[in-house]
Amino acid sequence: GQNIDQPTEMTATEGAIVQINCTYQTSGFNGLFWYQQHAGEAPTFLSYNVLDGLEEKGRFSSFLSRSKGYSYLLLKELQMKDSASYLCAVSDTDKLIFGTGTRLQVFP
Amino acid sequence: NAGVMQNPRHLVRRRGQEARLRCSPVKGHSHVYWYRQLPEEGLKFMVYLQKENIIDESGMPKERFSAEFPKEGPSILRIQQVVRGDSAAYFCASSPLDTDTRYFGPGTRLTVL
Repeated sequence: GQNIDQPTEMTATEGAIVQINCTYQTSGFNGLFWYQQHAGEAPTFLSYNVLDGLEEKGRFSSFLSRSKGYSYLLLKELQMKDSASYLCAVSDTDKLIFGTGTRLQVFP
Repeated sequence: NAGVMQNPRHLVRRRGQEARLRCSPVKGHSHVYWYRQLPEEGLKFMVYLQKENIIDESGMPKERFSAEFPKEGPSILRIQQVVRGDSAAYFCASSPLDTDTRYFGPGTRLTVL
């Protein structure tokens, strides 16, 4: 079956670091994506991992371990505008399978 | 460069009516995907299309829902005889031929009264 798990909600303080975890079990694997979605808006692409290891892109980094079926998104120097839902998605052959998303609230 | 365009952004229908949702992919993208998002839930895959072909419709309800991506013009998601449970945000995404990255449109929010 297809299963992608991530925490439902997280909170953090402005300027801090937060790690959002994602575990997955899918029949196929062509890579893992992280998207950001603000309330009422479209998801926007953050990162893509297909090989094991860490991908860094500015304040955001994403890690993948294929053998463990595990990924995390690391957000540094949090800003208020980072309050959003973060969606983990696995590319399974021809489609993306999404988790339910993690709602992150950043407090001053 | 225009991104994925969807219209209308908001659509209100009464039970039993038809809803037509349109999606114009990023110029040059030949792969189109439709997703549905219920309030407080994740994105659920519905259908994957290429020009004039349905590649994967495993997420599409068997009745009342259909999708097309003609040679010319936008992709259309059609919902016949809408029911209240169809109320959701419908997102379209597109990707180029040789990459998996999906670029999402702003979505159409369907409300069924």
